Amino acid sequence: GNSVTQMEGPVTLSEEAFLTINCTYTATGYPSLFWYVQYPGEGLQLLLKATKADDKGSNKGFEATYRKETTSFHLEKGSVQVSDSAVYFCALSAGSGYSTLTFGKGTMLLVSP
Amino acid sequence: DVKVTQSSRYLVKRTGEKVFLECVQDMDHENMFWYRQDPGLGLRLIYFSYDVKMKEKGDIPEGYSVSREKKERFSLILESASTNQTSMYLCASSPGSRSEQYFGPGTRLTVT
Repeated sequence: GNSVTQMEGPVTLSEEAFLTINCTYTATGYPSLFWYVQYPGEGLQLLLKATKADDKGSNKGFEATYRKETTSFHLEKGSVQVSDSAVYFCALSAGSGYSTLTFGKGTMLLVSP
Repeated sequence: DVKVTQSSRYLVKRTGEKVFLECVQDMDHENMFWYRQDPGLGLRLIYFSYDVKMKEKGDIPEGYSVSREKKERFSLILESASTNQTSMYLCASSPGSRSEQYFGPGTRLTVT
């Protein structure tokens, strides 16, 4: 079956530090890949996506590249801000038919001033 | 912008009550989903619907039912609430196969 593995959190960084959150996946076929962000007390917001190998998704300074050879979709940001503190979820959608998502467990990011 | 709304942000119910959680999306999406989110367990899919009056079980459907009478509205029903259904409930919609999902703000349900 499909699965997504994310690095355990919390990830604790100082403001302006470089961020990497690792995500690897197992899927049949060629999945679409997503990163979502959840701020405290809120629902999930789509952060970025990639639908085929070597695609790079980007938004608000965050980037992730779809690496088919390593089955990875790592999230990066060059300089984090306190406002980036949130939980980040990696997810995939694979197979035919409905667009069900398989989520990772989430990684909490804490950024201090 | 896609907008998914949920009827309540916070809800407190008693054990044995029938509970309705409502979700409405305004983008004419085909697919709608209900998840629950619990610490350490992540997001788990309860039910989803790919068309009006159609529904499919997700990973944890026990103790829940759903209703989709109109395309824009998807309801989650707890027939007889129990304390182990205390959770954050998230609704989502998506336009089609392999597409991203758009989430509502969530309903934090407490069953006492």
